Amino acid sequence: DAKTTQPTSMDCAEGRAANLPCNHSTISGNEYVYWYRQIHSQGPQYIIHGLKNNETNEMASLIITEDRKSSTLILPHATLRDTAVYYCIVRVAWNTDKLIFGTGTRLQVFP
Amino acid sequence: EPEVTQTPSHQVTQMGQEVILRCVPISNHLYFYWYRQILGQKVEFLVSFYNNEISEKSEIFDDQFSVERPDGSNFTLKIRSTKLEDSAMYFCASREKRAGGGTDTQYFGPGTRLTVL
Repeated sequence: DAKTTQPTSMDCAEGRAANLPCNHSTISGNEYVYWYRQIHSQGPQYIIHGLKNNETNEMASLIITEDRKSSTLILPHATLRDTAVYYCIVRVAWNTDKLIFGTGTRLQVFP
Repeated sequence: EPEVTQTPSHQVTQMGQEVILRCVPISNHLYFYWYRQILGQKVEFLVSFYNNEISEKSEIFDDQFSVERPDGSNFTLKIRSTKLEDSAMYFCASREKRAGGGTDTQYFGPGTRLTVL
């Protein structure tokens, strides 16, 4: 699996957009980018995933650069409940399907 | 919305005892997983399970660990003789099998906190 690099921590004001970057410069053409988050010690929560195109769902948007070497998760209007550790994971679709979690980005949303 | 459930939420046991952690995956899912997270550390993959057999396991998943799908709804992780270092949060996950291949999302349960004394 390709390795990912994320900032250790970030802050965001409540109501503002949170933009969480992820570098995956060694990603292969068949590897998907997944984002999960973990609030305190709860189970990881799926947010969004993508291969090449930008994706949006009710939780977030995922912007993947054209060369696919990096991506950004956008939470358009962060709330205090979005305070969590955010994990960017790349995964091959048909090879191993285990998820390899890194240390993620600890996002602190403040009032 | 369907979700993965796990019981118990917290299990305390004595070193050397056997424990069974239980999970009920999302009902139409066919792939099942266990992960663990030692306090303050990363989430680590333990094992994946499909069609009543282990698909993949990590080096953590040694002979002390076993998994089973005893009926159509439960998926269990057994630790035969617990050690202090088995203290961790254990997360179950499941995903459906999408026809035609492609990737599917793993959905996680809330976890069981195992404390070995």
